[in-house]
Amino acid sequence: QVQLLESGPGLVKPSQTLSLTCTVSGASISSGGFYWSWIRQHPGKGLEWIGYIYYSGSVQYNFSLRSRVTISVDTSKNQISLKLNSVTAADTAVYYCARTAIPSDAFDFWGQGTMVTVSS
Amino acid sequence: QSVLTQPPSVSAAPGQKVTISCSGIRSNVGNNYVSWYQQLPGTAPKLLIYKNNKRPSGIPDRFSGSKSGTSATLAITGLQTGDEADYYCGTWNNGLSAGGVFGGGTKLTVL
Repeated sequence: QVQLLESGPGLVKPSQTLSLTCTVSGASISSGGFYWSWIRQHPGKGLEWIGYIYYSGSVQYNFSLRSRVTISVDTSKNQISLKLNSVTAADTAVYYCARTAIPSDAFDFWGQGTMVTVSS
Repeated sequence: QSVLTQPPSVSAAPGQKVTISCSGIRSNVGNNYVSWYQQLPGTAPKLLIYKNNKRPSGIPDRFSGSKSGTSATLAITGLQTGDEADYYCGTWNNGLSAGGVFGGGTKLTVL
């Protein structure tokens, strides 16, 4: 069974960089065939796709966040990472990592999510 | 403001049927597969329907999906109290702003 587990600081100060890691078990990122996304959910709101990465390092980002987002992959650790810089209170959300077979396909496995609060 | 449009809430009695709509445009719903997710309180979304109308293993056939043009629909029959959750549609958007997009979510209340 594929499992994804997000980790990182739960509190980030405004203007700083939010950094999260998603550790994958039950599947090898380097085997290919799947895209790994970050998705966030603002408190009480809907879902927002942030971007995806393929094991090769190929990425695509949400147009509205692309200037602040970096997604990377570490196949040796079977992890993907998210960096979001210059954060504000508007970036307070639950952050999920999720898997798709192709970019335009459904997200079949999700992590449990990690809450990140931006506050001084 | 979500890219796809869903009703904020729907409700029905146990045993009844409910439908949830998801409206988009040609560059997203019109030209891509739609998926549906169930989010129980305090948990991560769970895939219910993929490729418009297919169910992953373990999802009961009480849940079904359909798509026509730029709209999609999730139907749930034989409602149970355990179906109370938020439901989201999702798809891909083509073009300059290519990427995953979702609806704003629909809160299902089983009366």
